[in-house]
Amino acid sequence: QSALTQPASVSGSPGQSITISCTGTSSDVGSYNLVSWYQYHPGKAPKVLIYEVRERPSGVSIRFSGSKSGDTASLTISGLQAEDEADYYCCSYAGTSTWVFGEGTKLTVL
Amino acid sequence: EVQLGQSGAVVKKPGESLRISCKGSPHSFTDHWIAWVRQMPGKGLEWMGIIYPDDSDTRYSPSFEGRVIVSADKSISTAYLQWTSLRASDTAMYFCARLVGSSSYLDSWGQGTLVTVSS
Repeated sequence: QSALTQPASVSGSPGQSITISCTGTSSDVGSYNLVSWYQYHPGKAPKVLIYEVRERPSGVSIRFSGSKSGDTASLTISGLQAEDEADYYCCSYAGTSTWVFGEGTKLTVL
Repeated sequence: EVQLGQSGAVVKKPGESLRISCKGSPHSFTDHWIAWVRQMPGKGLEWMGIIYPDDSDTRYSPSFEGRVIVSADKSISTAYLQWTSLRASDTAMYFCARLVGSSSYLDSWGQGTLVTVSS
């Protein structure tokens, strides 16, 4: 079970929008609308941003949005803020009570 | 707000055994699966397995089957991650998190337990 493919790093300036991709296979991302996204500041607990591809938990900023096309899911962050600088991970259900994370993407706010 | 509290950082030698814990409130454990996630130094998150504390039903990721033991004590709302013989490669941060099963996401996370295995 291989990790989902994410870009190692992305960057953007404050106020801009960025998109992080998460590519899996027809056995995970492509088969289930059960993709979630997590923000991780090292030293803190990860925080869920998106679940079921595009749903936002209560309290998560509307600047975070998710989508999916085929085997690739995406997280878009609009109106970048300095506090968004963190690591981002996607995660997908992969069937038979297994889940797989993405490789992680480091976001740098310039 | 759901809170999961994990046991503190530990340093162990190769070959030693270890059990780390994740304690929640009775409400946070009842009717929920608890997941364990590993982050090795400089690496990404890895799904290890899940347990349903109500009946200790356990599912492991293939990469971790046979390497770790996940257990729980429902009476004290605590889940455990255990090794019988640690390796240097087990050095990592380990997180527990609550799984919202119907939607397959982790809604609450522990603060992490750093396990260092070194001779």
